[in-house]
Amino acid sequence: SQQGEEDPQALSIQEGENATMNCSYKTSINNLQWYRQNSGRGLVHLILIRSNEREKHSGRLRVTLDTSKKSSSLLITASRAADTASYFCATDAKGSGNTGKLIFGQGTTLQVKP
Amino acid sequence: DVKVTQSSRYLVKRTGEKVFLECVQDMDHENMFWYRQDPGLGLRLIYFSYDVKMKEKGDIPEGYSVSREKKERFSLILESASTNQTSMYLCASSKPTQGSQPQHFGDGTRLSIL
Repeated sequence: SQQGEEDPQALSIQEGENATMNCSYKTSINNLQWYRQNSGRGLVHLILIRSNEREKHSGRLRVTLDTSKKSSSLLITASRAADTASYFCATDAKGSGNTGKLIFGQGTTLQVKP
Repeated sequence: DVKVTQSSRYLVKRTGEKVFLECVQDMDHENMFWYRQDPGLGLRLIYFSYDVKMKEKGDIPEGYSVSREKKERFSLILESASTNQTSMYLCASSKPTQGSQPQHFGDGTRLSIL
């Protein structure tokens, strides 16, 4: 089964509002990553947070990680129509060695209305 | 910037055909991955490779094989295509560290098996 589960599956907001997406996972991790996918395209890496970090920022993105609850959230502030995309969390797993293997969640589809 | 190139954006094949999907990366990454993406199921790992001529099964390897003869190229082979292999196929690459590197994706091949 998938390591990461995301919530909500779909989110629709107005431009300028904030969007929050959540991810839960099951096993111990080295890090958690968030990716974005525009319709019909490949995934693009957004941000990586290590297991010993609690919060990380990148531009309008804010990611939190709570390893005790095995959960993470992605906040996009002041959303724009161009943020419309699907967002995926991905976890590696401790013991996965150097393979770089990740397990992806099913994603949250975000629609930002102009 | 890392570039991962998949040979075809769209491909239509017939049941029973042998299908080759090609992926090339230009950043000398050791790790390469093949996923399929289906609505409601997220990304599922088919095969991955952590070095030339090395390969490991992912979560759904049945009906597929792979080839990694050169470091930059990772091929996915559908031995005898079936309609349930109609899907979006995504290739990715990454550096070989302890799961702490992002994966870089191609734009995907949307494969239809008729």
